[in-house]
Amino acid sequence: DAGVIQSPRHEVTEMGQEVTLRCKPISGHNSLFWYRQTMMRGLELLIYFNNNVPIDDSGMPEDRFSAKMPNASFSTLKIQPSEPRDSAVYFCASSLSWRDYEQYFGPGTRLTVT
Amino acid sequence: AQSVTQLDSQVPVFEEAPVELRCNYSSSVSVYLFWYVQYPNQGLQLLLKYLSGSTLVKGINGFEAEFNKSQTSFHLRKPSVHISDTAEYFCAVSRSEKLVFGKGTKLTVNP
Repeated sequence: DAGVIQSPRHEVTEMGQEVTLRCKPISGHNSLFWYRQTMMRGLELLIYFNNNVPIDDSGMPEDRFSAKMPNASFSTLKIQPSEPRDSAVYFCASSLSWRDYEQYFGPGTRLTVT
Repeated sequence: AQSVTQLDSQVPVFEEAPVELRCNYSSSVSVYLFWYVQYPNQGLQLLLKYLSGSTLVKGINGFEAEFNKSQTSFHLRKPSVHISDTAEYFCAVSRSEKLVFGKGTKLTVNP
């Protein structure tokens, strides 16, 4: 299995631009998670989905952030408009089911907003 | 709500020395505990997990951890480290599908 796939691996954009991060979970996994990692705040859960349905988005920083999962094999995290404080590494993870507890992480997208 | 405290942000050790990375958690209910490892420029990888049963849990790469309910701790240990163990280690707690992570401990193994 290819594992969790994220694209792009690196993204540099200017403040005010729209940014879209993409994730393909492991085939057969029913839960998908988006995390943000920064030096100051560590690893934070932004949102997670079960069977393509958003369950908890309480970690989404503000309305500039949105996430979708149109089908079992694809999810996006969008930031519009982006700001320098959004600079971070964004990870996607998936798990077999909500009872599985073991999450498999992708390699991350390093976002830099100038 | 659950929370995790990793007591050391950085731990330098020499190769072949033993190491212990400390983790304490707080929760009003029973929880599940995890250690993940992050190598440079990579995602997180599960080292080991405690769900129930024996309090001594063995993981990959020779690591083990012991669940201590009375001390609310889940410390990670390895009797002899290698240069390749240099990475950041995260302790996490969960009662549902959501994981709450500690701030991480950077382990540096020196020759």
